Amino acid sequence: KQEVTQIPAALSVPEGENLVLNCSFTDSAIYNLQWFRQDPGKGLTSLLLIQSSQREQTSGRLNASLDKSSGRSTLYIAASQPGDSATYLCAVSSNTGKLIFGQGTTLQVKP
Amino acid sequence: DAGVIQSPRHEVTEMGQEVTLRCKPISGHNSLFWYRQTMMRGLELLIYFNNNVPIDDSGMPEDRFSAKMPNASFSTLKIQPSEPRDSAVYFCASSLSLDSPLHFGNGTRLTVT
Repeated sequence: KQEVTQIPAALSVPEGENLVLNCSFTDSAIYNLQWFRQDPGKGLTSLLLIQSSQREQTSGRLNASLDKSSGRSTLYIAASQPGDSATYLCAVSSNTGKLIFGQGTTLQVKP
Repeated sequence: DAGVIQSPRHEVTEMGQEVTLRCKPISGHNSLFWYRQTMMRGLELLIYFNNNVPIDDSGMPEDRFSAKMPNASFSTLKIQPSEPRDSAVYFCASSLSLDSPLHFGNGTRLTVT
């Protein structure tokens, strides 16, 4: 059974810092991995999707990497801003489309 | 595009009542997912459909829960009878294909008293 773990559960940083969020999964037979952002009281917004054959994806100040063999992914946020404050979740997909989420990392960026 | 549309946004009901949650996926999307989110358990996959056919319902907690997708533009999640432990935020999400990002609705916050 696939299990997804995210560390840390919460993170507080001053504005401008670069930071890394971690995601690990137990079954390396994944189809793809997605990173999401969730603001309080809202649904999830997809940030980046990495196919199993890819090593990384970039969007603006966000960079996600994938090491399938070791069951790990990282989300790198450069030059963090208060507007980046949210909960970040990773999810892994099987080849049948089943998407399993981690518990998320709640990020606070202080001005 | 209006995105994934869920209704109602909030539902408060008494234990034992039937609850029906509704979802309209993004037009053209082939996959539809129902998730439940609580503080204790996070996001749990309940059931997902591909081309209107249920693929995996192993996450449906009990027989009290049922989901249907009668056509490509509509799905329902029904709880009958509801219990206080069903209180959670229920999300519907859709995607164009297995290779595509998942798009979430804003959720239905269910409170069962």
